[in-house]
Parts: sequence; structure tokens; C-alpha cells
Amino acid sequence: QQQVKQSPQSLIVQKGGISIINCAYENTAFDYFPWYQQFPGKGPALLIAIRPDVSEKKEGRFTISFNKSAKQFSLHIMDSQPGDSATYFCAATFSGSARQLTFGSGTQLTVLP
Amino acid sequence: DAGVIQSPRHEVTEMGQEVTLRCKLISGHNSLFWYRQTMMRGLELLIYFNNNVPIDDSGMPEDRFSAKMPNASFSTLKIQPSEPRDSAVYFCASRGPNEKLFFGSGTQLSVL
Repeated sequence: QQQVKQSPQSLIVQKGGISIINCAYENTAFDYFPWYQQFPGKGPALLIAIRPDVSEKKEGRFTISFNKSAKQFSLHIMDSQPGDSATYFCAATFSGSARQLTFGSGTQLTVLP
Repeated sequence: DAGVIQSPRHEVTEMGQEVTLRCKLISGHNSLFWYRQTMMRGLELLIYFNNNVPIDDSGMPEDRFSAKMPNASFSTLKIQPSEPRDSAVYFCASRGPNEKLFFGSGTQLSVL
């Protein structure tokens, strides 16, 4: 019930292309869905997040699409750049006294110049 | 604000030795999380504290692992005795009044 499944495990995209990473969750009580970006040698950093009351959230080149009925959400990176090459983690949590995050397994994105 | 500060950045030790990892939270944050990251298992939550109180330590691998939060801004994760399979990157993260989690840069632990 706590799982968040992420795919693909790795992704190679040409510069200027669209990168799409997908996640699926099981627990319908989840109500906060962030994406984290991690560069080598660094800790994950919050990139963008969405709540289930909206179907899409956009911040610059990064967009989260959310499908509540399918229990799926995805990250779209438009005009992908070599500097976007990193590992991306989706996550989910639910309101509660402590609200710990459940992370997906991560996607290693490589954007070719 | 300097963010979440972890020390040391790298630790190399021999099997059987005690290892202590340190973490300083962001001022004003009241939740602290310890994660372990490996290629095989990804990001694993080991333990988390809320207002200095351990809430869930079910992710701690075994009794060799212990964590403390002696005050609102500082935490330690101790492994005694350490084993080669403990080699990983250990992250701490702090969270404030919203759901945003801020990670430190991690401690790369190698147990020989």
C-alpha cells in the first residue's frame, strides 16, 4: 500500500527533446506528490510538487501531470538540456502527524548534447 | 541559511569499527529523517524524528544501527560494529512546517 513504482529506470534524450518519467501509486490516501532531482555527489533536491486537486502543474520547463483515477503521475521536461542530466525521484505522502515520504526507485536521465 | 549540514562527507573505516554520522538541521525545522542510498535498494528511510522524538525506526536494519537527536538542531546516526554491507551514502533531511524535505549532501561510507 505504500509503494510508488517509477519507470523507466534510465532514459536517454537528445538535447531539445521531451523527457517523460512515470510513477504509479497504490495508496489512495496520498495527497502530496513531489519530484526530486539529484546530481552526482549531492542530496536530492525538491524540483516540483503537486496535490491531487489539480491535474497539471507547470514550473518553467518542468510539468507534472496527475491522473487521480489511474493513480498515476508523470514528470515532463520540455526542451531537455544536458544540465538536466540527473537522477529523478518521484515521491508521495499523506497528511498525518509526521507525513513521511515514500520514494520511487529513481530514473537516471541523460540528455545528449 | 546554510541548509542541512552533514559530516563527514566521506568515511572509510574497517569492519568492526564504530561509525558516527552527524547532521545539523535547518533552523526552525522540526522533523529529521535519515536515509540510506544504494544502487540496489535506492533511497531507504531508516528512521525519522518529529520534535526530537523518534517516530518510526522500522527502517533501521538491525541493532547495530542507532540514532539520536539530543536537541532540536542536531542528530547522529551510529553504526557499531560496522560491516562491509553498510557501505552506502547516508543522507539526513529536515522538514519544516510544510511537506518540503531538504537533504544534506550526504556521507559516503565505505566499510572495508
